[in-house]
Amino acid sequence: GAGVSQSPSNKVTEKGKDVELRCDPISGHTALYWYRQSLGQGLEFLIYFQGNSAPDKSGLPSDRFSAERTGGSVSTLTIQRTQQEDSAVYLCASSDSLNEQFFGPGTRLTVL
Amino acid sequence: SQQGEEDPQALSIQEGENATMNCSYKTSINNLQWYRQNSGRGLVHLILIRSNEREKHSGRLRVTLDTSKKSSSLLITASRAADTASYFCATDRGANNLFFGTGTRLTVIP
Repeated sequence: GAGVSQSPSNKVTEKGKDVELRCDPISGHTALYWYRQSLGQGLEFLIYFQGNSAPDKSGLPSDRFSAERTGGSVSTLTIQRTQQEDSAVYLCASSDSLNEQFFGPGTRLTVL
Repeated sequence: SQQGEEDPQALSIQEGENATMNCSYKTSINNLQWYRQNSGRGLVHLILIRSNEREKHSGRLRVTLDTSKKSSSLLITASRAADTASYFCATDRGANNLFFGTGTRLTVIP
């Protein structure tokens, strides 16, 4: 079946604006993750959804960041009042086990 | 930081040579995973090695894990130009939250 998809693939926004990034996980995967990859740095864990459990938000860098996962499927990562340091590639991954995570192509966010 | 650290940061080799990348981490882990990222694309899972395993093979890939030294290595044998990519190690401390290193950029010259 289809892999993890993310939209948009690229997003350019002005400082102070809000942005929403979307992730469609692989159908049937109960776990969904958001990561951030800044230029020249490794991937940074942001948030983790597992089934109907409360999400693990321990990686969110500030209260401007939030995420939802509706119906146990699609997830939206929202960044309010964007700052230039938010510029990065945001990656979503899903998993049906405790092992392999399948990653989407990412959304490249540029905050001017 | 809980992230792994890979070295070298960049590696350039001739096609046919072997490439070795190393990863060190700081905390106890359940497993360690290696991922590959082609430019402009998402990550692809390569191999997982559990904390009670010392070596694992998959095709031209060989991964070792030394939990006493908190380190792992990824060996790609008989490299090909198509192996050019960034390689990341990721540690799983449990609950499947992966902590990634900064990656090794591998260039295989035809």
